[in-house]
Amino acid sequence: RKEVEQDPGPFNVPEGATVAFNCTYSNSASQSFFWYRQDCRKEPKLLMSVYSSGNEDGRFTAQLNRASQYISLLIRDSKLSDSATYLCVVNIPAGNMLTFGGGTRLMVKP
Amino acid sequence: IAGITQAPTSQILAAGRRMTLRCTQDMRHNAMYWYRQDLGLGLRLIHYSNTAGTTGKGEVPDGYSVSRANTDDFPLTLASAVPSQTSVYFCASSDGTTVFFGSGTQLSVL
Repeated sequence: RKEVEQDPGPFNVPEGATVAFNCTYSNSASQSFFWYRQDCRKEPKLLMSVYSSGNEDGRFTAQLNRASQYISLLIRDSKLSDSATYLCVVNIPAGNMLTFGGGTRLMVKP
Repeated sequence: IAGITQAPTSQILAAGRRMTLRCTQDMRHNAMYWYRQDLGLGLRLIHYSNTAGTTGKGEVPDGYSVSRANTDDFPLTLASAVPSQTSVYFCASSDGTTVFFGSGTQLSVL
């Protein structure tokens, strides 16, 4: 089992739609969680950190469920510019390393 | 502009040749990382360094070596390149909470 798993998609949604991605992680000792965005042939960039209480940044909402060991990302009112691959990232305490999920590809259509 | 610089941007290399990918950051981050990204496999950690003078093996270290003589530089060396090392390589650094990526090196081993 991979340490961090995501549905690779692609998720094809129309503009204005609400879309949600989930990510599961296997190491219960993980403490830090993030969503990164990666555009085609570009480097990943931090979208948002994920806090225990959940957090929101504009149209984006991130949630953490420690009991079930998953994090989620909700995007409301999708824009064409949201089209990208979204990477779930989990901190592995041993060695202080980040482990990346394989990414979920989102395509927002007009 | 502060950030991470990788060089070269792209390289075509004959199998069996030695190659060093360069990575420099000017943010004074202690932690630095090398990832490779392959279609369908996501980002995989090759080597990491939590501070100058120390390095560690990631998920896929075989065929690669790194050094961390100072805080700013973290070169990745392929001693004898093989076609399976064809990939996009990302260098990254971390301030302990956020990971910042370089723009990547596209390496093709023929």
